[in-house]
Amino acid sequence: RKEVEQDPGPFNVPEGATVAFNCTYSNSASQSFFWYRQDCRKEPKLLMSVYSSGNEDGRFTAQLNRASQYISLLIRDSKLSDSATYLCVVNALYNFNKFYFGSGTKLNVKP
Amino acid sequence: DTEVTQTPKHLVMGMTNKKSLKCEQHMGHRAMYWYKQKAKKPPELMFVYSYEKLSINESVPSRFSPECPNSSLLNLHLHALQPEDSALYLCASSQVAVTDTQYFGPGTRLTVL
Repeated sequence: RKEVEQDPGPFNVPEGATVAFNCTYSNSASQSFFWYRQDCRKEPKLLMSVYSSGNEDGRFTAQLNRASQYISLLIRDSKLSDSATYLCVVNALYNFNKFYFGSGTKLNVKP
Repeated sequence: DTEVTQTPKHLVMGMTNKKSLKCEQHMGHRAMYWYKQKAKKPPELMFVYSYEKLSINESVPSRFSPECPNSSLLNLHLHALQPEDSALYLCASSQVAVTDTQYFGPGTRLTVL
């Protein structure tokens, strides 16, 4: 079983839509959780860290559910510029500070 | 400053060449990483250095040889590569702390002929 699993998509949505991605992780001892955004042929860039209490940054909201071992990312009022691949990343300090990546979810926002 | 720099941006090499990729960060991070990324796939971990010591080698072939000369620098020495090694090579750094974030450099796009 993979450490981190994501739906690869693609999610094709119109501008202005609300879209949500989920990601599940297998190890209950995982400590830190992140969403990264990666544009085509560019490096991953941190979008948000995910905290137990949930956190919001403008149109983006991240949630963590430890009991069910999943994290989510909600994007409201989608913009064309949100089109990218969104990577779910879990930090495994129990394993020498190794970060586990999901396969990424592709989002296409259409005019 | 959350910058990780990598050189060169692009590299084309033959299968008999020896080349090196370089990575630098000045954020005081004590963990540094090399990843390989193929198109439409997530980054794949190759090596992790923690406090300048190699802590993880993900069974990478010996034609890839990492080096961490000091806490700010990370090199990846390449020798006798194969065409299937063509990929984007990403360097990243983080603190060795459970809550810390990993920051990526822009990558080196490597083509092996």
